[in-house]
Amino acid sequence: EVQLLDSGGALVQPGGSLRLSCAASGFTFSKFAMTWVRQAPGKGLEWVSTISDNGGNTYYADSVKGRFTVSRDNSQNTLYLQMNSLRAEDTAIYFCAKPPSTQVYLSHWGRGSLVTVSS
Amino acid sequence: DIQMTQSPSSLSASVGDRITITCRASQSINSWLAWYQQKAGKAPKLLIYKASSLESGVPSRFSASGSGTEFTLTISGLQPEDFATYYCQHYFSYPVTFGQGTKVDIK
Repeated sequence: EVQLLDSGGALVQPGGSLRLSCAASGFTFSKFAMTWVRQAPGKGLEWVSTISDNGGNTYYADSVKGRFTVSRDNSQNTLYLQMNSLRAEDTAIYFCAKPPSTQVYLSHWGRGSLVTVSS
Repeated sequence: DIQMTQSPSSLSASVGDRITITCRASQSINSWLAWYQQKAGKAPKLLIYKASSLESGVPSRFSASGSGTEFTLTISGLQPEDFATYYCQHYFSYPVTFGQGTKVDIK
């Protein structure tokens, strides 16, 4: 069974940093691109970033480009999102998600990790 | 960037009703479109991929169609568990984008 366990969410001050993790199991992690999607309180879904299966290609939403870095450790079956220069508008639940194949639609999702940016 | 616009933003319906949600892309995305259902406090659930392919385990009352720039999701015979928010998402190119969502609630 595919499992994605998001963790690392916390309360952080504006301008601060945080790293989210997503521990994967139940599938061959190194064969799939992985994606982060976020959802601000009461708002819709926003794609944040995708990383290719080997980590060689990364993609970002304009809203986080230059501040967030996605990475992965295929030996540990773990996905990361390093978030720097955090802003109030980054407050959201962050979901990690995987596709069923090489496409970028998402068949499996973590439960989400809450990031709150506030002083 | 490709913008995805859903309509309506919300709708009220009764159990047994047939409802249709529309998603429009700002440029052609061929059939690279997915639909998700999200219930409060939960992660989204994939319903449809490649515009009209039903994800395994999703009830057949869900159907979808479209290509290019206009797409629809139809639920035939709304069930109590279908009251939720629905999102479309294109995956034609980066950046991937979602529609703003359609909330379906009980009339």
